[in-house]
Amino acid sequence: GENVEQHPSTLSVQEGDSAVIKCTYSDSASNYFPWYKQELGKRPQLIIDIRSNVGEKKDQRIAVTLNKTAKHFSLHITETQPEDSAVYFCAAIETGANNLFFGTGTRLTVIP
Amino acid sequence: DSGVTQTPKHLITATGQRVTLRCSPRSGDLSVYWYQQSLDQGLQFLIQYYNGEERAKGNILERFSAQQFPDLHSELNLSSLELGDSALYFCASSVGTSVKETQYFGPGTRLLVL
Repeated sequence: GENVEQHPSTLSVQEGDSAVIKCTYSDSASNYFPWYKQELGKRPQLIIDIRSNVGEKKDQRIAVTLNKTAKHFSLHITETQPEDSAVYFCAAIETGANNLFFGTGTRLTVIP
Repeated sequence: DSGVTQTPKHLITATGQRVTLRCSPRSGDLSVYWYQQSLDQGLQFLIQYYNGEERAKGNILERFSAQQFPDLHSELNLSSLELGDSALYFCASSVGTSVKETQYFGPGTRLLVL
């Protein structure tokens, strides 16, 4: 089955700096990698996803990169703002099973 | 607001008891997913239903069961509850069957087993 590891578990950055969260996965056939943001006490929300046929995807201040050879993908947030403070979860699909396996989460704190 | 509703918001019960959690998907969505979020296990996929039929199964215990009704709402039944079942239970919905579609999460039900 799929195994997803996420680092770091906590991350603090100054407002305006960049934040990078990394995930590795084990299923080499996995082909879909979403990122979810969960603010304190709220529901997870999809913020960006990437499929294995592309190496990078950007949406304003958020980007995700994928390295299929190394089986890792990363979330990049530029020009961080206090409202970016949340727990971020990466996930990968277990091929053939239609399951999402989630990383353990990264608590991002943006210091004003 | 994602359009997905869950009831109740909070539930406190005792070990050995049985509870039912309810989820109503977004209008037009046919798939419902159930997830368990605990402090030590993170977010774990439990089960998916699509248009009334079980579609995919994850790490769901035998003490847990789910179903999706003709009006597409879903219920997650948890029985013989243990302390370790205390967690936040989310449902999510999407239009079709594929997990690659955007899933919209409900607000969750916080279960506390004493």
